Amino acid sequence: KAGVTQTPRYLIKTRGQQVTLSCSPISGHRSVSWYQQTPGQGLQFLFEYFSETQRNKGNFPGRFSGRQFSNSRSEMNVSTLELGDSALYLCASSLPGNEQFFGPGTRLTVL
Amino acid sequence: SQKIEQNSEALNIQEGKTATLTCNYTNYSPAYLQWYRQDPGRGPVFLLLIRENEKEKRKERLKVTFDTTLKQSLFHITASQPADSATYLCALARAKNTGFQKLVFGTGTRLLVSP
Repeated sequence: KAGVTQTPRYLIKTRGQQVTLSCSPISGHRSVSWYQQTPGQGLQFLFEYFSETQRNKGNFPGRFSGRQFSNSRSEMNVSTLELGDSALYLCASSLPGNEQFFGPGTRLTVL
Repeated sequence: SQKIEQNSEALNIQEGKTATLTCNYTNYSPAYLQWYRQDPGRGPVFLLLIRENEKEKRKERLKVTFDTTLKQSLFHITASQPADSATYLCALARAKNTGFQKLVFGTGTRLLVSP
């Protein structure tokens, strides 16, 4: 079974730009969660999608948004990028109530 | 506010010894707790899940305890090996059967096992 895939793996953007990250979950997993990981803050929950509906959202500004498609693939978008948005963005998929399977992440650098 | 604390200092141990990592939490009533391993530049990998009504869980050389009174979980690796060197994260969640889950992660403890 293929694992969680994320594209792109690396991204360099400048302040003010926007970015879209993609995540393909493990086949059969309908729950997809997104996390931001930085050295100072650790892993922080962004949002979770289940059957195309956002089930919960973390404490991030409205510049961070996401969506899920009917095939469970998910995208997250960050608009008006700031230097502090530089981080590893991780996507994880799971079955209800079970452990999460993480992708390799997208390393975003904002210059 | 909810807080999950893991020792931010690296834990250095000799090969063959038992490593014990601690996860403490406050202002939280988790339905279950998970432990993950993360290697540099990679996503976390699930290790063990323990539910609120379970005291202990084992998997090969790994053991997790969960004390909801002390609000603490201990993660043990017996007969540790250099390949066990990594950062270990604990995560708590209030799960529902509908599939909703919001995992709150600790900042992780780095384990270094010397030969």
